[in-house]
Amino acid sequence: DTGVSQDPRHKITKRGQNVTFRCDPISEHNRLYWYRQTLGQGPEFLTYFQNEAQLEKSRLLSDRFSAERPKGSFSTLEIQRTEQGDSAMYLCASSTGSANEQYFGPGTRLTVT
Amino acid sequence: QKEVEQDPGPLSVPEGAIVSLNCTYSNSAFQYFMWYRQYSRKGPELLMYTYSSGNKEDGRFTAQVDKSSKYISLFIRDSQPSDSATYLCAMITQGGSEKLVFGKGTKLTVNP
Repeated sequence: DTGVSQDPRHKITKRGQNVTFRCDPISEHNRLYWYRQTLGQGPEFLTYFQNEAQLEKSRLLSDRFSAERPKGSFSTLEIQRTEQGDSAMYLCASSTGSANEQYFGPGTRLTVT
Repeated sequence: QKEVEQDPGPLSVPEGAIVSLNCTYSNSAFQYFMWYRQYSRKGPELLMYTYSSGNKEDGRFTAQVDKSSKYISLFIRDSQPSDSATYLCAMITQGGSEKLVFGKGTKLTVNP
């Protein structure tokens, strides 16, 4: 049984570039979540999918951010025109039927220079 | 005032000590209360969750929820150096938003 996987694990990019992250949830988990975590803080919710439908978005998800889950399996999170303030760990989680049992992946650490 | 408050520590204890970690919250709609453990540069790992008030025990870990005081606790008995990590509390409402609301996390070090 594999857990949630995320790719890449680390990404360094220059300000203004676009980046895309991928998340593969636990097999058969129909719910998928994205969070962002900065140093010394707990994760903050960004968005949630049930199957391929994006059902909830945080105000943190500005118009530079877009997330997709086209076939209800893996998901991508894209950040356009990155800013230094986007530097953070981007975490993906998945669950099956119970939002209180969210299992997290290892995260993608983004550094914007 | 943040919805969930958690003392970031750091907390340092000797091996074998009983550790008490706590969170307070302001949103009375929270119904599920979770504890996650996060090692440095890793994703959070779900330790246990409790529904509404009461206690839940899992091995050396005990979670307590006091909804009347809006206060939750995690106790670790016979702490081990491998317990050294950041412990995050998280909460969620029932039947509403799917988002977990996290505390800042408490950094724990257990010294051998």
